[in-house]
Amino acid sequence: EPEVTQTPSHQVTQMGQEVILRCVPISNHLYFYWYRQILGQKVEFLVSFYNNEISEKSEIFDDQFSVERPDGSNFTLKIRSTKLEDSAMYFCASSPPGGGGSGEQFFGPGTRLTVL
Amino acid sequence: AQSVAQPEDQVNVAEGNPLTVKCTYSVSGNPYLFWYVQYPNRGLQFLLKYITGDNLVKGSYGFEAEFNKSQTSFHLKKPSALVSDSALYFCAVRDMSGYSTLTFGKGTMLLVSP
Repeated sequence: EPEVTQTPSHQVTQMGQEVILRCVPISNHLYFYWYRQILGQKVEFLVSFYNNEISEKSEIFDDQFSVERPDGSNFTLKIRSTKLEDSAMYFCASSPPGGGGSGEQFFGPGTRLTVL
Repeated sequence: AQSVAQPEDQVNVAEGNPLTVKCTYSVSGNPYLFWYVQYPNRGLQFLLKYITGDNLVKGSYGFEAEFNKSQTSFHLKKPSALVSDSALYFCAVRDMSGYSTLTFGKGTMLLVSP
């Protein structure tokens, strides 16, 4: 069964450094998302991406964040200058064609980001 | 703005007994509702969804959920719990008329004892 994959599984970085979190969505999916989950808190939406552009973003997704689909398979989340409060589990998700509406989102296993 | 409430941080049930994990929601329009499960060190796994039609929705691993529009609830149920059902359960909602953003509840830890 196809799965969303994410790398690395754990990223440790110093405050102020740039990080890139990588995701490979399921191959025929067209809608892509990033969510984060701060330890002990609920999953929060960051951004959705469709047709090579951001379709929606939350207030969390400020100028320090950016997303990119550099080729036909990868979907990345970049944090330009990490802050301590960026420490969280970051989940990538994707939905199939037509899945921007009622379809379920398929989640990857997450990348745990630790900012020191 | 849409929101989800899961009033219980933890639900404890004995194996073989029925279980219920509660969820209420708020959206401006008609909702799409989802349940996801998270096992330790794993991503979120889809369990079931309500889009339209029958208020009782059946999903993976024997789980089901009942959509109740008047009570704005979407409680997750299973007739007979298994120890392997122990995990963190998230309810999520999105507005049918809006974008595809999912809004999650804070999660409910289900612990099934042998």
